[in-house]
Amino acid sequence: DQQVKQNSPSLSVQEGRISILNCDYTNSMFDYFLWYKKYPAEGPTFLISISSIKDKNEDGRFTVFLNKSAKHLSLHIVPSQPGDSAVYFCAAPNNNNDMRFGAGTRLTVKP
Amino acid sequence: ETGVTQSPTHLIKTRGQQVTLRCSSQSGHNTVSWYQQALGQGPQFIFQYYREEENGRGNFPPRFSGLQFPNYSSELNVNALELDDSALYLCASSFEGDRRNYGYTFGSGTRLTVV
Repeated sequence: DQQVKQNSPSLSVQEGRISILNCDYTNSMFDYFLWYKKYPAEGPTFLISISSIKDKNEDGRFTVFLNKSAKHLSLHIVPSQPGDSAVYFCAAPNNNNDMRFGAGTRLTVKP
Repeated sequence: ETGVTQSPTHLIKTRGQQVTLRCSSQSGHNTVSWYQQALGQGPQFIFQYYREEENGRGNFPPRFSGLQFPNYSSELNVNALELDDSALYLCASSFEGDRRNYGYTFGSGTRLTVV
């Protein structure tokens, strides 16, 4: 029972353009969502979060949008930079102190 | 302020053996969670330790066990290793309720290969 799904395994964008990473979830009880970024040979790094009572949270170049009716969230990166190339995970904390992660989307930003 | 440190970084074991992985939590953090990340998948929750007690467990068999010490460091033990246990094992620390606003701090992981 995955509960958090990232259906796009990879995304490639040009430097300076917008990157949009998508995530769907099935558990309507999730009340918080987080995005993590992972470089090779490193652990995931927390990027940005959003409470289910909000529909948008912005931090610099990163904005997360939440659509509760569609059980969908997205991470927008504007403008994209080559250093943003990494694997991005969407996650949500479950009741059992279990953080549920999606399978990740590999973002490549081309110079 | 130090981050989360895991040891060893890589390990090769034979099927049926036992393994112990270690994690030092970030300074100020009192909660440690362990995750298994198989190739091409997201991390999967194994269990969490808080104040030296197991504080939640995922869908992993009892041969996966853990400990948390008074200094909040932790161990993950896996008995009777199987080939499917080959994965990246991630340790994450947090301070109680901070995980929702600030997320977990992850270590770089231990890459376990079972042959």
